Amino acid sequence: EAEVAQSPRYKITEKSQAVAFWCDPISGHATLYWYRQILGQGPELLVQFQDESVVDDSQLPKDRFSAERLKGVDSTLKIQPAELGDSAMYLCASSSGLAGDLNIQYFGAGTRLSVL
Amino acid sequence: GESVGLHLPTLSVQEGDNSIINCAYSNSASDYFIWYKQESGKGPQFIIDIRSNMDKRQGQRVTVLLNKTVKHLSLQIAATQPGDSAVYFCADTPNTGTASKLTFGTGTRLQVTL
Repeated sequence: EAEVAQSPRYKITEKSQAVAFWCDPISGHATLYWYRQILGQGPELLVQFQDESVVDDSQLPKDRFSAERLKGVDSTLKIQPAELGDSAMYLCASSSGLAGDLNIQYFGAGTRLSVL
Repeated sequence: GESVGLHLPTLSVQEGDNSIINCAYSNSASDYFIWYKQESGKGPQFIIDIRSNMDKRQGQRVTVLLNKTVKHLSLQIAATQPGDSAVYFCADTPNTGTASKLTFGTGTRLQVTL
């Protein structure tokens, strides 16, 4: 069964350092999402891509977060500089965007970030 | 979905019993609803979905009920098994004609006792 791949699974960094997370969506999925999940809460959207274009980054803290999906396939989410409050699980999801299957988003295993 | 807090509501059921997990949503424009299961250290896993033109949908051992009047949906799990232990989230999204973000509700931790 096709899966969303994410790496690394775990990342420990010191505050003010830069971190990057990678995501490879299910093959053929045009829509890719990055969510942040704080412990004990539900995921919240950071950014949504349709192919290589950003369609929603309204909740992305753009002073320190950036995301790209240059060729419309895999994606990278970067934080620079990391702050203590960024400690969370970062989840990538993808969906086909096809009629009848518009919004079933399939999630990767996530990257657990700890900022010390 | 509703805003969430630090302490997840917990539902404890005995193995073999039926489980009912409830969720309230706030957006009247929400058109599509999904239930996810999240095990510790893993990403959310799709369980079942329902569109707003339906009030019930059944899957294998799971049933989702939607009451748009009171903005409420529930997930029923028949013959609950130890492997069902996880946090369950409902999520909703409006019908914009294209894929759009999910808004997740307050998770519920399901504990299955032997």
